[in-house]
Amino acid sequence: NAGVTQTPKFRVLKTGQSMTLLCAQDMNHEYMYWYRQDPGMGLRLIHYSVGEGTTAKGEVPDGYNVSRLKKQNFLLGLESAAPSQTSVYFCASSYSVRSTDTQYFGPGTRLTVL
Amino acid sequence: ILNVEQSPQSLHVQEGDSTNFTCSFPSSNFYALHWYRWETAKSPEALFVMTLNGDEKKKGRISATLNTKEGYSYLYIKGSQPEDSATYLCAFVMFSYGNKLVFGAGTILRVKS
Repeated sequence: NAGVTQTPKFRVLKTGQSMTLLCAQDMNHEYMYWYRQDPGMGLRLIHYSVGEGTTAKGEVPDGYNVSRLKKQNFLLGLESAAPSQTSVYFCASSYSVRSTDTQYFGPGTRLTVL
Repeated sequence: ILNVEQSPQSLHVQEGDSTNFTCSFPSSNFYALHWYRWETAKSPEALFVMTLNGDEKKKGRISATLNTKEGYSYLYIKGSQPEDSATYLCAFVMFSYGNKLVFGAGTILRVKS
């Protein structure tokens, strides 16, 4: 049982390049989330999904797109990377969106945009 | 905009010291408070989920209390060990925000042996 995995672990992009971050979970969770973590700030929600084929915007969605074609995978895309998107990206999943449900996190992807 | 404050920002203690830190959150429309522990290069891991005013949770040497009326939670570590070194995150759940987590910036704890 791997839990939540993320690929890649590290990436360096040039401004304007595109990339996709992959999140996979093997816990059969319905709900998946993408966060970014910046120094001195809390984790901020970018986009989330309440089930296969559905996505919704979080707190900081601009510059990102997501897709949830399969229940176990949640992809985060950057179409034209900007230095402001330099961050650590975390994926998480949960069984439901009850207020007491734990979110299970992946190990993070450290992205640098030059 | 929801604001979750954690203090102090960082803390350096000696092995064996007991320590505590604070998470402050809006007291209206409270649903739940989560505490996570995040070690460098690892995934954040859940410590506690707290929902009731006056709630106390304990896991080994770590415990947490909750005051929903005044909007704060304390995390205590008794007899800190080097392996307790991590960032401790709290996250607030407010009903009107669709049960999503709003995280504080965390408290970085470093325990010296």
